[in-house]
Amino acid sequence: AQKVTQAQTEISVVEKEDVTLDCVYETRDTTYYLFWYKQPPSGELVFLIRRNSFDEQNEISGRYSWNFQKSTSSFNFTITASQVVDSAVYFCALSEGTTSGTYKYIFGTGTRLKVLA
Amino acid sequence: KAGVTQTPRYLIKTRGQQVTLSCSPISGHRSVSWYQQTPGQGLQFLFEYFSETQRNKGNFPGRFSGRQFSNSRSEMNVSTLELGDSALYLCASSGEVWVPGELFFGEGSRLTVL
Repeated sequence: AQKVTQAQTEISVVEKEDVTLDCVYETRDTTYYLFWYKQPPSGELVFLIRRNSFDEQNEISGRYSWNFQKSTSSFNFTITASQVVDSAVYFCALSEGTTSGTYKYIFGTGTRLKVLA
Repeated sequence: KAGVTQTPRYLIKTRGQQVTLSCSPISGHRSVSWYQQTPGQGLQFLFEYFSETQRNKGNFPGRFSGRQFSNSRSEMNVSTLELGDSALYLCASSGEVWVPGELFFGEGSRLTVL
């Protein structure tokens, strides 16, 4: 069965430290998509990245980088030189096909990141 | 471009009552999905609608239902409310049709059941 595990419930770091948020997924599909979303204190989830199962290239976007490893079923997210504005809950999500030919999303339980000034 | 709008933002109900939540997706988006967010459980998928048809459904009891109108606006209804239904209910819309795309979330409707 499909599942997303974010074992880190809460992480606290001091500003400018690097931090990695772990995400491990389970799926039987060969075609699937992985996502990261950020939920700041205001509450509205914001999309960060989408990756499909055929693209294992790592992605870097400014201070954010993502490491996708199919061998370990992991899609980890690293924030370099963290800032207070990075404080939020981060969700990893998996989307795989359904019998109806569509996709549905499975979210992890989230990791709360606190960046201290 | 206006974002996803959810109403009401906050509501308080008592056990046994029913509630209807509304969601207006981004203009042009035909897919609308609903999630229940509770502390420690993350986001639990409720259902997804596309062009007025329910395409997918999560593992929630039949007390949870939804529908989508021809203008893509969606409503979800919870009947016979229980204390455990207290949660943030999030609506998300997507412009993608056949592949999972970026979900655009609303701010949510926070339901408290007393």
